[in-house]
Amino acid sequence: GDSVTQMEGPVTLSEEAFLTINCTYTATGYPSLFWYVQYPGEGLQLLLKATKADDKGSNKGFEATYRKETTSFHLEKGSVQVSDSAVYFCALSGGATNKLIFGTGTLLAVQP
Amino acid sequence: DVKVTQSSRYLVKRTGEKVFLECVQDMDHENMFWYRQDPGLGLRLIYFSYDVKMKEKGDIPEGYSVSREKKERFSLILESASTNQTSMYLCASSLSSTSWTGELFFGEGSRLTVL
Repeated sequence: GDSVTQMEGPVTLSEEAFLTINCTYTATGYPSLFWYVQYPGEGLQLLLKATKADDKGSNKGFEATYRKETTSFHLEKGSVQVSDSAVYFCALSGGATNKLIFGTGTLLAVQP
Repeated sequence: DVKVTQSSRYLVKRTGEKVFLECVQDMDHENMFWYRQDPGLGLRLIYFSYDVKMKEKGDIPEGYSVSREKKERFSLILESASTNQTSMYLCASSLSSTSWTGELFFGEGSRLTVL
């Protein structure tokens, strides 16, 4: 079945460092891909999305490109801030339903 | 803004108790979901509902049931709580499939501890 694999955390970075969180997927058909973020004590919220191959989703300085050839959707940010500390989830959807399949999540800790 | 409200942030229950987790959304969304979140396992779908009085099993429905008597409310029921149901439970809602943009709106979660 469809699945999402994320790099394990925690990822610990200093402020202003470059961030990459890897995400690869397995799916039949052509899924849409998402990154959700969960700040401490909060529910998940959509960070960005891409609905077809070569699309780039972006929001709040984060970017991810839908790479069909490598079945990947890696999350990047050029300069992280302490306020970016959170758990990041990669997810996919496909087919006729709007269920999401989530990865295991990656904890990002940014130190001042 | 869409608001998904889960009635209890923290609950402590004893093994064998019946547990109700309530979720209410205020944006007239057709779809509602219950996930559980566990370290190293991510989010796993328990049940979802596309309409009032309709429900479908997700990936891990065993030990759970749901109720959707009104469009805005989706309840998760643990008929007889067990220690392996200690977890964070997340409710979410979304527009119908034909209108969906890909976004689920989540509540803040209910952390359940079963002793």
